[in-house]
Amino acid sequence: ELKVEQNPLFLSMQEGKNYTIYCNYSTTSDRLYWYRQDPGKSLESLFVLLSNGAVKQEGRLMASLDTKARLSTLHITAAVHDLSATYFCAVDMDSNYQLIWGAGTKLIIKP
Amino acid sequence: GAGVSQTPSNKVTEKGKYVELRCDPISGHTALYWYRQSLGQGPEFLIYFQGTGAADDSGLPNDRFFAVRPEGSVSTLKIQRTERGDSAVYLCASSSYLAGVNNEQFFGPGTRLTVL
Repeated sequence: ELKVEQNPLFLSMQEGKNYTIYCNYSTTSDRLYWYRQDPGKSLESLFVLLSNGAVKQEGRLMASLDTKARLSTLHITAAVHDLSATYFCAVDMDSNYQLIWGAGTKLIIKP
Repeated sequence: GAGVSQTPSNKVTEKGKYVELRCDPISGHTALYWYRQSLGQGPEFLIYFQGTGAADDSGLPNDRFFAVRPEGSVSTLKIQRTERGDSAVYLCASSSYLAGVNNEQFFGPGTRLTVL
């Protein structure tokens, strides 16, 4: 059974600090997506990672993909309160049109 | 351009009633997905359309749930004899799915269904 595991599931941190969210998955895949969800809102696409070694950056967020390790990371640099949200990773499989979702990481950044 | 839209944004109904939830995908997107999300959980897959046909409805919880996409664009999720356990946010997503290339999905704002 394909599994996508995120950790931590909950993270509370201070503004200005750096931290990394991890997304591990259990099957071969070259494509992974990160989404952000604010409370009471829908999911917003953040990053699309389509190959091994892919790295994407947007502001204080940087995502990377290591398909050999079956691992993606979402790194937060000098966190600010506005980044407080729940972050989901989702894995794309060649043989299936479904995305397999992680449970989400709820990030709270305190001023 | 216009994103995925869903109506209504909120729906409150009584147990046993019938509801319809509508999704209007991004123009040109052939793939359409319905998900259900409960508080604190990730999206739970319900059904996938490729064009007009339901290619995979394995996520529908039981036969009270049904979805259509008659012209390959707008989709309607129909729930009969609603139960309190059906209360959740129903999300629709669309993508220009290319197998093995990119399946980035774009989500609508969701319909919050409350069954009293």
